Amino acid sequence: AVMTQSPVSLPVALGQPASISCRSSQSLVHRDGSSYVSWVQQRPGQSPRRLIYEVSNRDSGVPDRFSGSGSGTDFTLKISRVEAEDAGIYYCMQGTHWPPTFGGGTKVEIK
Amino acid sequence: EVQLVESGGGLVQPGGSLRLSCVASGFTFSNYWMIWVRQAPGKGLEWVANTDQPGTQKYHVDSVKGRFTISRDNAKNSMYLQMNSLRGEDTAVYYCARGEGVGAADYWGQGTLVTVSS
Repeated sequence: AVMTQSPVSLPVALGQPASISCRSSQSLVHRDGSSYVSWVQQRPGQSPRRLIYEVSNRDSGVPDRFSGSGSGTDFTLKISRVEAEDAGIYYCMQGTHWPPTFGGGTKVEIK
Repeated sequence: EVQLVESGGGLVQPGGSLRLSCVASGFTFSNYWMIWVRQAPGKGLEWVANTDQPGTQKYHVDSVKGRFTISRDNAKNSMYLQMNSLRGEDTAVYYCARGEGVGAADYWGQGTLVTVSS
């Protein structure tokens, strides 16, 4: 499944909301009924960190300003109020179909 | 605390070989499937290979199939990636990650850089 993210670059002012879209080339509903979409954050110079799994579940320690939603082929990551530490590249990822694939990334820049 | 520490990267000539290692701590290694993911310089993420908990089932993406082999040693809390017939397009940071759920990685190492160049 090809994962297409938009926008590629997202300048956001501190305290403002941000939204990243991810579209799959095929449905990400697994035969078990769940959709295995996760979101990964990569801060500058750091290794990736998972934020969201199975579309909308936040990982432990992830601030509640991050939320995931979507179904079928369209998914979204939202940051309710951007903070300075949120700068970095965000990738969506699907695990429903093998091999797991990543979107091309969205670079969140603080204005 | 979950920790994944990769090693073994370096500069290698095209056609050469390299073996990457990943040592895990902070969790029961044998309970989790494990993954290698790579990131070419300035590029996005690419799933490379994964192995199940006992190390009997192994999957490699087409771009590395027949050249790379994933393996693990649960007694040593370690996972490996044997890379043969290396090409320039294999140049990347290679991350070790812990598998969780279906097709997901919940913890990632800091990565080890592999550079294939003459």
